[in-house]
Amino acid sequence: GENVEQHPSTLSVQEGDSAVIKCTYSDSASNYFPWYKQELGKRPQLIIDIRSNVGEKKDQRIAVTLNKTAKHFSLHITETQPEDSAVYFCAASIGGDDMRFGAGTRLTVKP
Amino acid sequence: DSGVTQTPKHLITATGQRVTLRCSPRSGDLSVYWYQQSLDQGLQFLIQYYNGEERAKGNILERFSAQQFPDLHSELNLSSLELGDSALYFCASSVGRIAVNEQFFGPGTRLTVL
Repeated sequence: GENVEQHPSTLSVQEGDSAVIKCTYSDSASNYFPWYKQELGKRPQLIIDIRSNVGEKKDQRIAVTLNKTAKHFSLHITETQPEDSAVYFCAASIGGDDMRFGAGTRLTVKP
Repeated sequence: DSGVTQTPKHLITATGQRVTLRCSPRSGDLSVYWYQQSLDQGLQFLIQYYNGEERAKGNILERFSAQQFPDLHSELNLSSLELGDSALYFCASSVGRIAVNEQFFGPGTRLTVL
């Protein structure tokens, strides 16, 4: 089955700086790559996703890039704010089925 | 509020016991997914159902089973519970397999095995 690796496991940045989280996947058939944000004690919520026919997608301060050849995708958060502090999970699936998550990155944004 | 409901919110039980967790998907969603999240751990995919049928299976133990009913709600049954089964169990739903769609997560059921 699909295996998703995520790095780093923890990330601390100063407010206003950028944060980058990287993930790799193993199954070349995977074609859907969402990113979820989970605040302490709450449910995971989708923040952005990308499909395999697109190389990059941006939504305000958040962007995701996908390199199908290398089988890796990354989350970029610019102008970080304290409220961006949370655990971020990447995931990969084939058509939305059998979604496998990375181990998560705990992002801390220091004011 | 995602529209996905899970009951109970908390569950405390003893080793060796059996429990049932319930999930109601968003209206119109046909796919239901179950995940296990242990303390400070990631989301482990357990199993997925689509319109009543098992669609994909992840790292689900043989002691665990699930089903999706005709009204599309789903139940996750955990038996012969062990201390290590203590975790937050999330259910998520999506429209289905017509197109790739966002999964919406429920609030989770926190299971504590003593």
